Amino acid sequence: DGGITQSPKYLFRKEGQNVTLSCEQNLNHDAMYWYRQDPGQGLRLIYYSQIVNDFQKGDIAEGYSVSREKKESFPLTVTSAQKNPTAFYLCASTPTGGIGEQYFGPGTRLTVT
Amino acid sequence: ILNVEQSPQSLHVQEGDSTNFTCSFPSSNFYALHWYRWETAKSPEALFVMTLNGDEKKKGRISATLNTKEGYSYLYIKGSQPEDSATYLCARINTGTASKLTFGTGTRLQVTL
Repeated sequence: DGGITQSPKYLFRKEGQNVTLSCEQNLNHDAMYWYRQDPGQGLRLIYYSQIVNDFQKGDIAEGYSVSREKKESFPLTVTSAQKNPTAFYLCASTPTGGIGEQYFGPGTRLTVT
Repeated sequence: ILNVEQSPQSLHVQEGDSTNFTCSFPSSNFYALHWYRWETAKSPEALFVMTLNGDEKKKGRISATLNTKEGYSYLYIKGSQPEDSATYLCARINTGTASKLTFGTGTRLQVTL
């Protein structure tokens, strides 16, 4: 089955710890994205990558970092510098990074206490 | 309008009712509009990608229209069914920012028997 996997579904961390969220796709898509959802707000773009070894900041990149060493993987690290890390995180991909529809993973809910 | 706005925020209809939601967005620098359906415990799934003023798209009982000059799109559901219960998201792409989506907060639809 082709798709996007995110693991784990739920993640708990103590304040001050960095945590890495996994996103893997076997759709052979070039572009990948990370979004964050908070209650009452739309999905907000954190980082995106249109090609391996390249990525750009989205609208709310502060406190996050990413890497894109392989086409199928786009991990997101939530650093201790992120002031409000508790949120639902969604990963997505598109074939070429154009205006086409995005394919989403199931998401990871991160709770930091 | 500075951001993507959706109305109503939530909607409760009876099975068989037809309904519609609105997505409003800045008309300047418009490139494309996406509609997604997000069912509880699932990933968002694309419904439509629309680019041209006057575009109308249809998928089964769901259809959408686009007015890029005045900055709005309507999503229509004819004869709502319980399986239509979901949050419906719209997202806009600006010119020069290919693949960067700006999402609205969504319209949550609940269809009861």
